[in-house]
Amino acid sequence: DTAVSQTPKYLVTQMGNDKSIKCEQNLGHDTMYWYKQDSKKFLKIMFSYNNKELIINETVPNRFSPKSPDKAHLNLHINSLELGDSAVYFCASSQEGRGGMSAEAFFGQGTRLTVV
Amino acid sequence: LAKTTQPISMDSYEGQEVNITCSHNNIATNDYITWYQQFPSQGPRFIIQGYKTKVTNEVASLFIPADRKSSTLSLPRVSLSDTAVYYCLVGVEDSSYKLIFGSGTRLLVRP
Repeated sequence: DTAVSQTPKYLVTQMGNDKSIKCEQNLGHDTMYWYKQDSKKFLKIMFSYNNKELIINETVPNRFSPKSPDKAHLNLHINSLELGDSAVYFCASSQEGRGGMSAEAFFGQGTRLTVV
Repeated sequence: LAKTTQPISMDSYEGQEVNITCSHNNIATNDYITWYQQFPSQGPRFIIQGYKTKVTNEVASLFIPADRKSSTLSLPRVSLSDTAVYYCLVGVEDSSYKLIFGSGTRLLVRP
C-alpha cells in the first residue's frame, strides 16, 4: 500500500482551465501539505492542514485552494491555470506540526502539471 | 531576509565520506532541522532530523553547532545509489513563521 498517493501523476491542460489534484494518506497522520517544485528544483510549501484547519498559507495566488474532506485527504484545486503554474506538485503528510514539519514527513510521488 | 543556502553540487567517489552543509541564519527557536533525499521523478524522502549537537541513524549523521545557524549532513562511505539531491528543511522566523527548504545539493557519486 502506498503511504501517500496522489493522482494524477501527469496532467497536461490548457491555460484558463480549472483542475484538481487529489491526495490521500493512509498513515493516520494529523497534518498534510502541498509543495511546489519548479523547473530549477526549488521546493516551496504552499499549504498545510492540521485536523482540517489551515495552519500555513504561504503567499500563493488565490487561484489555488486546498480542500480537505477528511483527515486522510487534502486535494488541491487550481482555477484559471497559467503557464507559470507548470511544475511538479507534491503532497506530504506528517504526524505533527504547528505548520512546522517537526516530525518525519512522507511525500507522494508528485504530479507533473504542464500548462500549454 | 531569511535564507537557507546549500552548495549547488558536490562530487564524490564510492566509499568516501560526504559532508553537505546548510546555512539557516533565521532558524526558529523551537524548530528541528530536517534533511531529505530526492531521486529523479520521486518525492523527497526523510533522512535525518535533529535539534542540536549530533544525531546519528543507520544512514547518516547530522551535526548542529550551538548557534544552530547551520547544519552538516554527513554520509559515511557513499555508494553509487546515494547519487541524488539533498535538501535541508527548517522553520524560520522572519516577519512570520515559514517553512523553507534549502536550494538543494546535487550529489554525484562516481565509481
